[in-house]
Amino acid sequence: GQQLNQSPQSMFIQEGEDVSMNCTSSSIFNTWLWYKQDPGEGPVLLIALYKAGELTSNGRLTAQFGITRKDSFLNISASIPSDVGIYFCAGQRKGGSEKLVFGKGTKLTVNP
Amino acid sequence: NAGVTQTPKFRILKIGQSMTLQCTQDMNHNYMYWYRQDPGMGLKLIYYSVGAGITDKGEVPNGYNVSRSTTEDFPLRLELAAPSQTSVYFCASTEGQAGNTIYFGEGSWLTVV
Repeated sequence: GQQLNQSPQSMFIQEGEDVSMNCTSSSIFNTWLWYKQDPGEGPVLLIALYKAGELTSNGRLTAQFGITRKDSFLNISASIPSDVGIYFCAGQRKGGSEKLVFGKGTKLTVNP
Repeated sequence: NAGVTQTPKFRILKIGQSMTLQCTQDMNHNYMYWYRQDPGMGLKLIYYSVGAGITDKGEVPNGYNVSRSTTEDFPLRLELAAPSQTSVYFCASTEGQAGNTIYFGEGSWLTVV
């Protein structure tokens, strides 16, 4: 089935550092979504992107919808310990939410 | 405001046993989903439902069954548990079709031995 390539697979950073992760696909998506999953919890939506080139922020998080519509980026500035978790990208083509495709996740560890 | 509630949180099954993962939502959402999440992998859609009485297969439906007799409930049934079904299962619901409105449950950790 359709897959998204999400990288990096894991990151170990010091508190205060900035973080970047991305997702790429061979197919075009109409919507890009970024989720965070805390240990033992379900994914929670962080940012939704709907237009090619769109840049959207949510606090210290900034995400961009790639101009080719085949990629998306998530940046976290000035990381803090509670940023620890797994970050997933998801792409949606036309149609319902059953068409959502998830990346494999980026596991973020923040050392105080 | 409970949102999406899944039970049980943890379960160990023997090969060949059957069980049902329960999911209920109190947001009056029409769309409900079951995903599985394997280590280091993204979420894979098992089954989904666009309303009471309507269900459809997702990407990985084999070995599972669902029913949707009410808007609130969307149970997932494993008939003959196999080790390959060891995974974390997430139920989710959404009001409409847009991915941004998906709400996930807290997950059910299932081990088949």
